[in-house]
Amino acid sequence: EAGVVQSPRYKIIEKKQPVAFWCNPISGHNTLYWYLQNLGQGPELLIRYENEEAVDDSQLPKDRFSAERLKGVDSTLKIQPAELGDSAVYLCASSSDSYEQYFGPGTRLTVT
Amino acid sequence: GESVGLHLPTLSVQEGDNSIINCAYSNSASDYFIWYKQESGKGPQFIIDIRSNMDKRQGQRVTVLLNKTVKHLSLQIAATQPGDSAVYFCAENTGNTDKLIFGTGTRLQVFP
Repeated sequence: EAGVVQSPRYKIIEKKQPVAFWCNPISGHNTLYWYLQNLGQGPELLIRYENEEAVDDSQLPKDRFSAERLKGVDSTLKIQPAELGDSAVYLCASSSDSYEQYFGPGTRLTVT
Repeated sequence: GESVGLHLPTLSVQEGDNSIINCAYSNSASDYFIWYKQESGKGPQFIIDIRSNMDKRQGQRVTVLLNKTVKHLSLQIAATQPGDSAVYFCAENTGNTDKLIFGTGTRLQVFP
């Protein structure tokens, strides 16, 4: 069974530029999560989807961050414009009806 | 607010010894706990979970202990191996949602 797929794995951009991350969850997993992970810290939830509906986006900075999961399968997370403080690893995870979440390898973003 | 914390940022053990990683949580309403292992450049990987109606659960070489009285969680790894070197996170879930709150992490270093 394929795991959670994320791309790109690494991204370097200049501040004020836009950036997008893509995630394909495990087949059949209805719930999809985007997390932000700073160095040495645990993941912090940005947004959670149940199928195509965002059911928890309270931690998503909506002035610059946006996300979509139009067909209830894969998802994109966008930052526009990026700031220096956005440098981090962006993790995607998915789950079925259980609490166990399966994580992808993450996208390491560096904003210069 | 809710918080999950770890007592030690780094734990160094000799190969073959047992490891104990500790975690404190503050929300007495949390009813589900997970330990994740994260290797460099990878996403968190599920190790073992435990529900609040249990105080101990065993897996392969790993045991999780839950003490609800003092709100403490521990992960025991038997016969620690070099492949166990990673950062370990505890995470808690409160209520009926599948939102996880992660702690900061403990780095386990295994020496030959």
